[in-house]
Amino acid sequence: DQQVKQNSPSLSVQEGRISILNCDYTNSMFDYFLWYKKYPAEGPTFLISISSIKDKNEDGRFTVFLNKSAKHLSLHIVPSQPGDSAVYFCAASAAEGGSEKLVFGKGTKLTVNP
Amino acid sequence: GAGVSQSPRYKVAKRGQDVALRCDPISGHVSLFWYQQALGQGPEFLTYFQNEAQLDKSGLPSDRFFAERPEGSVSTLKIQRTQQEDSAVYLCASSLARGAVKAFFGQGTRLTVV
Repeated sequence: DQQVKQNSPSLSVQEGRISILNCDYTNSMFDYFLWYKKYPAEGPTFLISISSIKDKNEDGRFTVFLNKSAKHLSLHIVPSQPGDSAVYFCAASAAEGGSEKLVFGKGTKLTVNP
Repeated sequence: GAGVSQSPRYKVAKRGQDVALRCDPISGHVSLFWYQQALGQGPEFLTYFQNEAQLDKSGLPSDRFFAERPEGSVSTLKIQRTQQEDSAVYLCASSLARGAVKAFFGQGTRLTVV
């Protein structure tokens, strides 16, 4: 049973437009959420995170929104650039529950076309 | 070093062979994690160390998998009697303090069991 779900395996957007990547979770114990970006043959790179006490966190072109009641978060990239083309993983942690592990979704492959 | 270093980058093992995968975390990082990433999937948690103590090994798929971090820095993931389903990318991550948030990942070791 997948606790973190990224239902879109791929997304294609035009350069300069907004990219919106979605993530749903089922475990209400999750209290910290992260997005990782992964290029081929490299390890995941931390992008942005959000604590469950917030509903929005912004860092430059990247904004993460959290809707706790819907158990849903999204990553907005605006404006999208060709270098943003990568696989994006949503991950969640239940640190308050004593577990230190991250639970990942399957990823969404973003392609930004010039 | 500047980042998390894993070796070897690629390993081909014959079924039944034992393998050892090495992880050099970022200097001073207390927490160390091992994840397994199968093709088309997100990383899945295997085990977690805080310094030399293995605090969570709930993700290890069988008793053929063994991890150690004897001096609280370098870690080794050992897989005994490898099987084809062990083929995956094995990712190591480390973080400065207790907890998985903002963990930094290595490039991974791609294990292929033939």
